[in-house]
Amino acid sequence: QKEVEQNSGPLSVPEGAIASLNCTYSDRGSQSFFWYRQYSGKSPELIMSIYSNGDKEDGRFTAQLNKASQYVSLLIRDSQPSDSATYLCAPRDNFNKFYFGSGTKLNVKP
Amino acid sequence: DAGVIQSPRHEVTEMGQEVTLRCKPISGHDYLFWYRQTMMRGLELLIYFNNNVPIDDSGMPEDRFSAKMPNASFSTLKIQPSEPRDSAVYFCASSLRGGLQETQYFGPGTRLLVL
Repeated sequence: QKEVEQNSGPLSVPEGAIASLNCTYSDRGSQSFFWYRQYSGKSPELIMSIYSNGDKEDGRFTAQLNKASQYVSLLIRDSQPSDSATYLCAPRDNFNKFYFGSGTKLNVKP
Repeated sequence: DAGVIQSPRHEVTEMGQEVTLRCKPISGHDYLFWYRQTMMRGLELLIYFNNNVPIDDSGMPEDRFSAKMPNASFSTLKIQPSEPRDSAVYFCASSLRGGLQETQYFGPGTRLLVL
């Protein structure tokens, strides 16, 4: 059984701070990793993808991947109240199957 | 592109009734996924198709659930008979089998309430 672990939170950060979201996964065969954001009552939407070890930056978002440690993270700089949502980590295996964590709920306080 | 289309958006039914959820994937996508999301269990993969063929249905909870994909632009998820514990949001998603960055795109979901 391939598993994805995320801290359910809620993670509370003040506006303008850095939010750090973490994820560990069990399947060493996974090559691509995705972060989705899900607002309450909405469907998940893609934030970032990463497949090489190291950091990948896109605006205020930075994804970090360490395949040896089976660890993925998402940093959100200058957090805004509009970033308040649940963030889902999803590795993709070699059969194009996505495994979703239970998600971390982020609250950004004005 | 119109994105993934799901219907109905909301469904309220009584226990024992048949429920059919519908999905139209993004044109050209060759993978289609059905998920169920609840507060208790999070987002669960029920079944997924590649080129209209079911690849993995290990997430289908029991024989009351069935899914079909008769062509590349249409899929259904059927629950017969429905039970209150089937109440959830059901998402359909589609993707391309491509490079490492190919992701899946979700539809708006169907909110199902079984009374």
